[in-house]
Amino acid sequence: EVQLLESGGGLVQPGGSLRLSCAASGFTFSSYAMGWVRQAPGKGLEWVSVFIGGGGSTYYTDSVRGRFTISRDNSKNMLYLQMNSLRAEDTAVYYCAKYNRHFDDWGQGTLVTVSS
Amino acid sequence: DIVMTQTPLSSPVTLGQPASISCRSSQSLVNSDGNTYLSWLQQRPGQPPRLLIYKISNRFSGVPDRFSGSGAGTDFTLKISRVEADDVGVYYCMQGTQFPLTFGGGTKVEIK
Repeated sequence: EVQLLESGGGLVQPGGSLRLSCAASGFTFSSYAMGWVRQAPGKGLEWVSVFIGGGGSTYYTDSVRGRFTISRDNSKNMLYLQMNSLRAEDTAVYYCAKYNRHFDDWGQGTLVTVSS
Repeated sequence: DIVMTQTPLSSPVTLGQPASISCRSSQSLVNSDGNTYLSWLQQRPGQPPRLLIYKISNRFSGVPDRFSGSGAGTDFTLKISRVEADDVGVYYCMQGTQFPLTFGGGTKVEIK
């Protein structure tokens, strides 16, 4: 059974940083692309970033490019999202998900709140 | 960017009756490899999203056959043949044909 468990969310001031982690199990992590999707309170889904496994290609939505960095450690079955220069509009639940041109398995999410 | 537009915003349905959700993309979702990367997700209240359908019409593992997807090019439909209480939630379409990946705004399915 695929399991994805996010951690690292919390309250941070504008301009601050957080690193989200996603622990994966139940599948061959290194064989799959992985991504992050977020959902602001009461809003819809917004794609954030994807890490395509083999070649190490990374993609970002425009609003986070240059501030967020996606990375992975295949030896630990871990996916990360380093978030810098955080803004109020980054407040959301962040989901880690397995990506195959669609997001087929999702974690429970971790809440990031950016506020002073 | 490809804009995904869903209709209706809300769909009150009687238990046991069918429901249909439309999703339209601002440009064709046919990829250069010949596949069309249009998927549907369900988000029940307080839960993370769950994949229902991928590549227009393929049901994901464990998804009941009450759910079906159809369409081509820029117009797609998710149908629930007989709505059950468990189907209450918000449904999203998503395109995976090109970056940035984009979602529809969501359709809320509720019981009348």
